[in-house]
Amino acid sequence: NAGVMQNPRHLVRRRGQEARLRCSPMKGHSHVYWYRQLPEEGLKFMVYLQKENIIDESGMPKERFSAEFPKEGPSILRIQQVVRGDSAAYFCASSPIKLATSTDTQYFGPGTRLTVL
Amino acid sequence: GIQVEQSPPDLILQEGANSTLRCNFSDSVNNLQWFHQNPWGQLINLFYIPSGTKQNGRLSATTVATERYSLLYISSSQTTDSGVYFCAVLNHNNAGNMLTFGGGTRLMVKP
Repeated sequence: NAGVMQNPRHLVRRRGQEARLRCSPMKGHSHVYWYRQLPEEGLKFMVYLQKENIIDESGMPKERFSAEFPKEGPSILRIQQVVRGDSAAYFCASSPIKLATSTDTQYFGPGTRLTVL
Repeated sequence: GIQVEQSPPDLILQEGANSTLRCNFSDSVNNLQWFHQNPWGQLINLFYIPSGTKQNGRLSATTVATERYSLLYISSSQTTDSGVYFCAVLNHNNAGNMLTFGGGTRLMVKP
């Protein structure tokens, strides 16, 4: 059973370009979470999605960032017009059901390291 | 929101030594996980432990939910234990389902 997959593992963009990060959850998981880790810091929640729905985007910057989890295919985190401060590791996690009502855990992918030049 | 604090922030050990890492949280939780982030940046699940004690090889963890803290014990440390250890919690009032991470303990084990 493959784990959470993220690609690309490393992404380099120049200021002003767009970055697209992909996440395929574990088989059977319908809940996806995105977290950002700035250098030398812990992970911070960005957004929580189920298939075709954004459930909680309270951690997403208001501008330039968007996320989707379509009916078919991976979840996408999109950053438009990237700036140097967007350089970070972006982690995706998945779970089979809503964690607040279960005893399951979130399973994390290997992360995408974004560098903005 | 819930606050998660980890101590110590940095720790240097000689190979073979034992250590205890602490995680304090400010509210009741129904999910607590310990992770190891290795020097290559990968996050590895160590324990899911909202309460009680668990052991896995040289690692063990204890969470005392009523007193709002968790401890991670590393015995007979090895250089491969180096990296950052995070605890993360999900609390009862969090309808959004996200984990809140502590700032981590950065561990270096010297040969």
